[in-house]
Amino acid sequence: EPEVTQTPSHQVTQMGQEVILRCVPISNHLYFYWYRQILGQKVEFLVSFYNNEISEKSEIFDDQFSVERPDGSNFTLKIRSTKLEDSAMYFCASSERGGTEAFFGQGTRLTVV
Amino acid sequence: GESVGLHLPTLSVQEGDNSIINCAYSNSASDYFIWYKQESGKGPQFIIDIRSNMDKRQGQRVTVLLNKTVKHLSLQIAATQPGDSAVYFCAETHTGGFKTIFGAGTRLFVKA
Repeated sequence: EPEVTQTPSHQVTQMGQEVILRCVPISNHLYFYWYRQILGQKVEFLVSFYNNEISEKSEIFDDQFSVERPDGSNFTLKIRSTKLEDSAMYFCASSERGGTEAFFGQGTRLTVV
Repeated sequence: GESVGLHLPTLSVQEGDNSIINCAYSNSASDYFIWYKQESGKGPQFIIDIRSNMDKRQGQRVTVLLNKTVKHLSLQIAATQPGDSAVYFCAETHTGGFKTIFGAGTRLFVKA
């Protein structure tokens, strides 16, 4: 069964450092998403990406965040200068079409120290 | 603003009993609703969905009910099993939309 894969599973970084979280969406999907989940809280939408551009983003997704699809398979989330409050699980997801079932990866646990 | 919320943060049921998890939504523009299951340390996993032109949809051991009049969504799990223990999220989006909004989550405990 096709799945969304994310690397690394756990990333520890110092405050102020840049991190890149990586995702390989399901191959025939056209819509890509990043979500985050602070421990014990709900899943929060960050950004969606379609046709090589950001289609929608939340208030959380400020100038410190960026996304990129550098090739035909990878989808990355970059946080330029991490803050303590960026510590969370980050989930990548993809879907075949907009407004349909999204498939989630296992997540990357980001810990900022 | 849009929001999707849950009535109960935790639910404890006996193995073999039926479970009902409830959810309220506020965005009238949403026309597609999804229930996700999240096990510890994993990403959300799709369980069942329903479109706004329906009021009931059944899957294997799960049923989703949609009441658009009161903007209420529920997930029913029949013959709950220990493997059903997880956090359940309702979520909403709209056709062609670019984001899915998640509710707060209900943790289901299944007692053996």
